[in-house]
Amino acid sequence: GAGVSQSPSNKVTEKGKDVELRCDPISGHTALYWYRQSLGQGLEFLIYFQGNSAPDKSGLPSDRFSAERTGGSVSTLTIQRTQQEDSAVYLCASSPAGTGINEQYFGPGTRLTVT
Amino acid sequence: KQEVTQIPAALSVPEGENLVLNCSFTDSAIYNLQWFRQDPGKGLTSLLLIQSSQREQTSGRLNASLDKSSGRSTLYIAASQPGDSATYLCAVVKAAGNKLTFGGGTRVLVKP
Repeated sequence: GAGVSQSPSNKVTEKGKDVELRCDPISGHTALYWYRQSLGQGLEFLIYFQGNSAPDKSGLPSDRFSAERTGGSVSTLTIQRTQQEDSAVYLCASSPAGTGINEQYFGPGTRLTVT
Repeated sequence: KQEVTQIPAALSVPEGENLVLNCSFTDSAIYNLQWFRQDPGKGLTSLLLIQSSQREQTSGRLNASLDKSSGRSTLYIAASQPGDSATYLCAVVKAAGNKLTFGGGTRVLVKP
């Protein structure tokens, strides 16, 4: 079946502009995660959604970052007033349930470049 | 705070040799450990997931072991091929949480 999809695959934006990144999880997966991969920091957790529960936002680096998940499916990660240090690959993952047991399946990522 | 370390950061072997990739973590209270492969410019492909109650998992030429008490996992790739060249990442999910904490990865080059 279809895997996790993300759009756009690449995004170049000017410093100070807002960007929206989209993630379509695997159908039926209730848990959705956003991670960021950058040269200096490696792969780091940003935010986690599980069903209708309040999201775990503990990994968001600043209040310029926000995410929502509509209808328990598609998620959008928004970065306001982008800075050059926001340049990274943003990865989305989904898993069948929110327990720690289940495997996480990753999308291809969105490469964000802030000029 | 959970820390995950992968040593070495890079590894080069001739084709046919067995690969041994190491992963260590500081907090043994984990739910599971997952090994991923990442090709340049691509996302992550899950290779193996080991539950905290398991000692090892096998899939084809891949075998991963887990020693929770010592905070270590090892990924073995038998009879390496040039197509195995990639970055290999390990990640753990700690108890009472769901997020993956990743190691820095080991970049592998298998020379023909």
